[in-house]
Amino acid sequence: AQSVTQLGSHVSVSEGALVLLRCNYSSSVPPYLFWYVQYPNQGLQLLLKYTTGATLVKGINGFEAEFKKSETSFHLTKPSAHMSDAAEYFCAVSVSNSNNDMRFGAGTRLTVKP
Amino acid sequence: KAGVTQTPRYLIKTRGQQVTLSCSPISGHRSVSWYQQTPGQGLQFLFEYFSETQRNKGNFPGRFSGRQFSNSRSEMNVSTLELGDSALYLCASSSQVGSFSYTFGSGTRLTVV
Repeated sequence: AQSVTQLGSHVSVSEGALVLLRCNYSSSVPPYLFWYVQYPNQGLQLLLKYTTGATLVKGINGFEAEFKKSETSFHLTKPSAHMSDAAEYFCAVSVSNSNNDMRFGAGTRLTVKP
Repeated sequence: KAGVTQTPRYLIKTRGQQVTLSCSPISGHRSVSWYQQTPGQGLQFLFEYFSETQRNKGNFPGRFSGRQFSNSRSEMNVSTLELGDSALYLCASSSQVGSFSYTFGSGTRLTVV
């Protein structure tokens, strides 16, 4: 069965610094990969998704992620952190277009220091 | 346009009681999915409804049930509440099944005491 591992439950960066949130997946078939963000007391918002095609995916709020099959990774990056990026980020994997097999990572809480 | 609306936002129930949570999707969205979020288990899929029919179901006991009405609004019900049912319950809507373009509501935080 497919699964996702997010490395680091907490990441802290300074404002203006690079944001790197790590996600590794396990799947026996080509996966669909997602990053979601959750602000306090809010639901999840889709940042970006990889289904097929270009392996570098650009999302909202300046985030992007690169699908690397050889490394089974889908790390999320942003060149320059903003205070408003402080939130919890979830990586997710699915092997079909049915969401009953979507598996979420445990989440990474991003703190941005002024 | 209005987002996904979940009511109530907070709920406290006693063990053994039952609870009903409501979700109104974005206008025009016919697919509604429910998720349970807990610190220990993370995000887990409960079920998905499309056009009043349950399309998919996660691995939860039969105490968890749901339905969808003709206006696409959905309710989920949990009977015989257990302490472990305390969680944030999230609803997400999309225009079609499997679109991966879900919009989530802010959730209902259920506390079972």
